[in-house]
Amino acid sequence: EDKVVQSPLSLVVHEGDTVTLNCSYEVTNFRSLLWYKQEKKAPTFLFMLTSSGIEKKSGRLSSILDKKELFSILNITATQTGDSAIYLCAVLNQGAQKLVFGQGTRLTINP
Amino acid sequence: NAGVTQTPKFQVLKTGQSMTLQCAQDMNHNSMYWYRQDPGMGLRLIYYSASEGTTDKGEVPNGYNVSRLNKREFSLRLESAAPSQTSVYFCASSEVLRRERIHEQYFGPGTRLTVT
Repeated sequence: EDKVVQSPLSLVVHEGDTVTLNCSYEVTNFRSLLWYKQEKKAPTFLFMLTSSGIEKKSGRLSSILDKKELFSILNITATQTGDSAIYLCAVLNQGAQKLVFGQGTRLTINP
Repeated sequence: NAGVTQTPKFQVLKTGQSMTLQCAQDMNHNSMYWYRQDPGMGLRLIYYSASEGTTDKGEVPNGYNVSRLNKREFSLRLESAAPSQTSVYFCASSEVLRRERIHEQYFGPGTRLTVT
């Protein structure tokens, strides 16, 4: 059975800190891994990673995939209160045409 | 473009009542999905429709039925609601996920359902 596990489940830091969120997976026919940010309502897409070792970057957010060890990390540097959200990791099963989501990490940035 | 729309936004049901959650997308996407989100559980797939005319069970299909009415619309029905179905329900759509360049799922705003 496909499984995606995120850690930590909850994280509270101060503004300006750097955080690292983890996502490990066991999926048959792995195709790609996606990160989403969910604030008050619907998740919004951040990154998709397909190749191992290639960092994706958008401003203060970056992510990298390790296909050998079956995990990904999402880094956020110089955190701001607007980064407070649930961060969801999902893995695409190539054959099944569906995403398998992790439980999410609830990140709180205190001023 | 409205993207993905869902109705209603909120609903309270009594145990045993039935209802249908509506979802529509205007992006001409082939695939549509229904998820439920509970605290600490992330998003769990209920049903999905890879293309018009097909539907498949996801991770937690029991107690639900779906209809892919046409390419735009994908509804989720609770025939006899139970308190365990209290959750936030999200509809999503995407192009065919097999194509690597087409990867993103677009989510609707969600329906908060409470079953008492």
